[in-house]
Amino acid sequence: SAVISQKPSRDICQRGTSLTIQCQVDSQVTMMFWYRQQPGQSLTLIATANQGSEATYESGFVIDKFPISRPNLTFSTLTVSNMSPEDSSIYLCSVVGLAGEQFFGPGTRLTVL
Amino acid sequence: SQQGEEDPQALSIQEGENATMNCSYKTSINNLQWYRQNSGRGLVHLILIRSNEREKHSGRLRVTLDTSKKSSSLLITASRAADTASYFCATDSLYTGFQKLVFGTGTRLLVSP
Repeated sequence: SAVISQKPSRDICQRGTSLTIQCQVDSQVTMMFWYRQQPGQSLTLIATANQGSEATYESGFVIDKFPISRPNLTFSTLTVSNMSPEDSSIYLCSVVGLAGEQFFGPGTRLTVL
Repeated sequence: SQQGEEDPQALSIQEGENATMNCSYKTSINNLQWYRQNSGRGLVHLILIRSNEREKHSGRLRVTLDTSKKSSSLLITASRAADTASYFCATDSLYTGFQKLVFGTGTRLLVSP
């Protein structure tokens, strides 16, 4: 399976600021996604990070709030903009393996004060 | 959106006992995947089962899929304290989009020594 790293692993931020989360994969992957896990909840898909084009967002998520970059097949960033306490969550990137399994990064735990 | 429902929400057993978790979903699926999450960390991929498969094994894990009932089960045999975690099922379908995972509500498993 692919080795996925995320930075930062956790952060505490003030409301109104923005945080950019990085996701690095040790091999080229076609499909990469970003998910959110709110406290005590399950995971929800935010968007598909498309290489060379704009990300595809799920219902309830917009580019102005969660801009995503995917400059190549091994790297992506998710920015959480103009944060509020409701954005406190774990943010995870994922990639799809050759056999169709979806593997997740270790997550970024964000707390917004 | 489609979401898997898992039961039980929480399960407490002794080491050596078997643990069974169930997942139900609403529409026809491509694949169903099971994950483990320890204490809010990243997700560990356990097993992928395709819609045309009925059973898969991996070590102490056994997954079954009944597409007529739109349900799956995860059996952990001879449980260990280290199996204590939350377990999630996740599905993708033509309805949600290829590889766009929709997660179940999760089962919290506690294995006591």
